[in-house]
Amino acid sequence: KNQVEQSPQSLIILEGKNCTLQCNYTVSPFSNLRWYKQDTGRGPVSLTIMTFSENTKSNGRYTATLDADTKQSSLHITASQLSDSASYICVVSAQQAGTALIFGKGTTLSVSS
Amino acid sequence: DAGVIQSPRHEVTEMGQEVTLRCKPISGHNSLFWYRQTMMRGLELLIYFNNNVPIDDSGMPEDRFSAKMPNASFSTLKIQPSEPRDSAVYFCASSSGSPRNSPLHFGNGTRLTVT
Repeated sequence: KNQVEQSPQSLIILEGKNCTLQCNYTVSPFSNLRWYKQDTGRGPVSLTIMTFSENTKSNGRYTATLDADTKQSSLHITASQLSDSASYICVVSAQQAGTALIFGKGTTLSVSS
Repeated sequence: DAGVIQSPRHEVTEMGQEVTLRCKPISGHNSLFWYRQTMMRGLELLIYFNNNVPIDDSGMPEDRFSAKMPNASFSTLKIQPSEPRDSAVYFCASSSGSPRNSPLHFGNGTRLTVT
């Protein structure tokens, strides 16, 4: 069964600190993996998309890594800011008919001052 | 670029009433999606349109839900009759190219409360 599991479920960190969010998936055959940021009361916004051949992709202070062998991805946030407080959703795309996007349930990050 | 526009932002209705949610995708995007988000289940795909044609509606919960896309710039999701368990945030998203390879652009959602 295609699944995407994210950990931790929630996380609280101090402003300026770094943090890493995890995503494990069992989706096959794999097409790509995406990370989205969802602010409270808003729709998700795309941060990165990584294909099988990409190990790392950055978007400002956000760096995503992908290990297709172990089927794991991480999202590293550097020098966190209050505006990073949001839910981060991992989405895996499968190579099959239709949309084939499998969503994780997200990690809720709270950055405090 | 105004992004994906959804209306209304909030809807409160009584059980048994008809609810219609509206979406205007980004101009030029050929794929449109309706998702439902709850705390328990996260984001779930309800229906996917490509070039205004429904491609995958396997996520539509039951016959009470229906969706239409009469043209490339407008889509509706209708619930009739509504039930309390339909309470959730409903998102519309659009993309260009293949949805498997292109990022989805989400609207800010409609928060539906059915009492």
